[in-house]
Amino acid sequence: NAGVMQNPRHLVRRRGQEARLRCSPMKGHSHVYWYRQLPEEGLKFMVYLQKENIIDESGMPKERFSAEFPKEGPSILRIQQVVRGDSAAYFCASSKGNPSLNQPQHFGDGTRLSIL
Amino acid sequence: GENVEQHPSTLSVQEGDSAVIKCTYSDSASNYFPWYKQELGKGPQLIIDIRSNVGEKKDQRIAVTLNKTAKHFSLHITETQPEDSAVYFCAASMGEGAQKLVFGQGTRLTINP
Repeated sequence: NAGVMQNPRHLVRRRGQEARLRCSPMKGHSHVYWYRQLPEEGLKFMVYLQKENIIDESGMPKERFSAEFPKEGPSILRIQQVVRGDSAAYFCASSKGNPSLNQPQHFGDGTRLSIL
Repeated sequence: GENVEQHPSTLSVQEGDSAVIKCTYSDSASNYFPWYKQELGKGPQLIIDIRSNVGEKKDQRIAVTLNKTAKHFSLHITETQPEDSAVYFCAASMGEGAQKLVFGQGTRLTINP
């Protein structure tokens, strides 16, 4: 299966700990997007990255959240000092080309983050 | 602002009947409109998309229409089947360079046998 792979599928953290969510894009895709979904709601854009570059982080909280997409390896969404409000499903999507060319975004099955 | 409104929030139809979900968007510069189906515990799955230079697109039992003047687009599912039951999301490309998708709130579709 060459789809978008996210891990872990479920992650439990205590308040104040760090959470690291990983995303491997589809083969041949170099554009990665992270979205957050609260229960019974739509997905909210967080950040758009290409290899080694953050292109648009307009949806990222100003503090505690960071994202990277290194030259080698998966994209990482990092949440420091987690709080209960961070509990959500985090989805990664990837596309083959530039969004301005309307390249479809394909999603992984998400990481469900629970904060105790 | 960047906003997509989706209606209805829940929809229940008899198997074999048609289902219609409607969305409106705020940004007149939006030029790409995908629809996603999300099943429980899964990620959104792209089912059909339409670009601003096209008014209608069809793929088997699924069709999407776009009215750019009214900033309105709709999903039509005909001959519904139980496996069509899921949450459906519309989205529109927005932001500088149309680089991100803004999603509607979702429609929970239930097909009654």
